[in-house]
Amino acid sequence: GQNIDQPTEMTATEGAIVQINCTYQTSGFNGLFWYQQHAGEAPTFLSYNVLDGLEEKGRFSSFLSRSKGYSYLLLKELQMKDSASYLCAVRDSNYQLIWGAGTKLIIKP
Amino acid sequence: IAGITQAPTSQILAAGRRMTLRCTQDMRHNAMYWYRQDLGLGLRLIHYSNTAGTTGKGEVPDGYSVSRANTDDFPLTLASAVPSQTSVYFCASSDREANEQFFGPGTRLTVL
Repeated sequence: GQNIDQPTEMTATEGAIVQINCTYQTSGFNGLFWYQQHAGEAPTFLSYNVLDGLEEKGRFSSFLSRSKGYSYLLLKELQMKDSASYLCAVRDSNYQLIWGAGTKLIIKP
Repeated sequence: IAGITQAPTSQILAAGRRMTLRCTQDMRHNAMYWYRQDLGLGLRLIHYSNTAGTTGKGEVPDGYSVSRANTDDFPLTLASAVPSQTSVYFCASSDREANEQFFGPGTRLTVL
């Protein structure tokens, strides 16, 4: 079967750095996405990785290792507004997105 | 309008009733999707459409139907609602099958 694993919840301090991990087992791989979802709102796109390595976009970076079936999202200089759920999704061989359950990130002052 | 709109925002429905959730996008995206999101579970694909006139089944299609008569609209119909269909429903679109998806604001549906 297809499976995406992420921690259910993480807590971090304002101004700090946090890494949210995602491991996956899917039938084929055609890219990995990270989305942010604030409570009661729709998911919004953060990043996309299809090749191994690190993609940096401002305070957010995303890393991919296809051989290990592993990705992480790195958030730097955390702000209170970063409190949200972070969703990992893998595009499989049918070009459909398989979604993890999301990681709820709580930022404390 | 800009982006994707969904209607209604929320709805309480009696079991056995028929309900259509509406989704409209103005980005001229070819592909559209319907997901449900339940607490503790990831987004699950119900149905999708890669282009106007075509539809396909996702992971959890039973009890739902869709149509794609034109590029902009992608309604989701529950023929006879059951309590297990209580969920938040998101419509999404992308400009090709392979690109990032843009989401509508969601419809919160409660079936009693």
